[in-house]
Amino acid sequence: DSGVTQTPKHLITATGQRVTLRCSPRSGDLSVYWYQQSLDQGLQFLIQYYNGEERAKGNILERFSAQQFPDLHSELNLSSLELGDSALYFCASSVAAGSSHIRGYTFGSGTRLTVV
Amino acid sequence: TQLLEQSPQFLSIQEGENLTVYCNSSSVFSSLQWYRQEPGEGPVLLVTVVTGGEVKKLKRLTFQFGDARKDSSLHITAAQPGDTGLYLCAGAGTGGTSYGKLTFGQGTILTVHP
Repeated sequence: DSGVTQTPKHLITATGQRVTLRCSPRSGDLSVYWYQQSLDQGLQFLIQYYNGEERAKGNILERFSAQQFPDLHSELNLSSLELGDSALYFCASSVAAGSSHIRGYTFGSGTRLTVV
Repeated sequence: TQLLEQSPQFLSIQEGENLTVYCNSSSVFSSLQWYRQEPGEGPVLLVTVVTGGEVKKLKRLTFQFGDARKDSSLHITAAQPGDTGLYLCAGAGTGGTSYGKLTFGQGTILTVHP
């Protein structure tokens, strides 16, 4: 157990639907990162939050949004889902935005999203 | 945009063989990290190298950071089936808004056959 909890582990939904992925960071970690992993794209950075505020954006589609709540858990909302959104979605956390260069990220086990 | 290129993308070897995975970039990183990911799990940090030219050993794994802090290598001696997995390198940004932010390579899928 890495300490980063992601739910649900698996999600199957239809095109056009909306889903919410949840992440609880490791205790004491203030930064949360969301990544999308697919076979042909590798690990793609979506968005980062630090202590409730958006810190950096990557290749996140406009149909996707995220937030980090006061208790530091984060949610990734995916809407108007398309077949191509099927992928593994990972959440990672770190103590602080600047400490990652030494301590790295702690990843959750991911949510496997299948859009049919 | 900082990019990391990993090679090879796939590696299939027999137990007992040695292998090297490379991670290259034109950008300078404050550190270079290596992660291992098994099916159904998230990446797990193996090591962080910080100083140019640094070499770290973790049992049969040897990690090296290039002198210019732009590239790194992972060498595995006498590979075992338990080494099978996806190996990812990640570079940490050096300053400004990219400080500490990790950029991941595409990964190397290693399969070690008994």
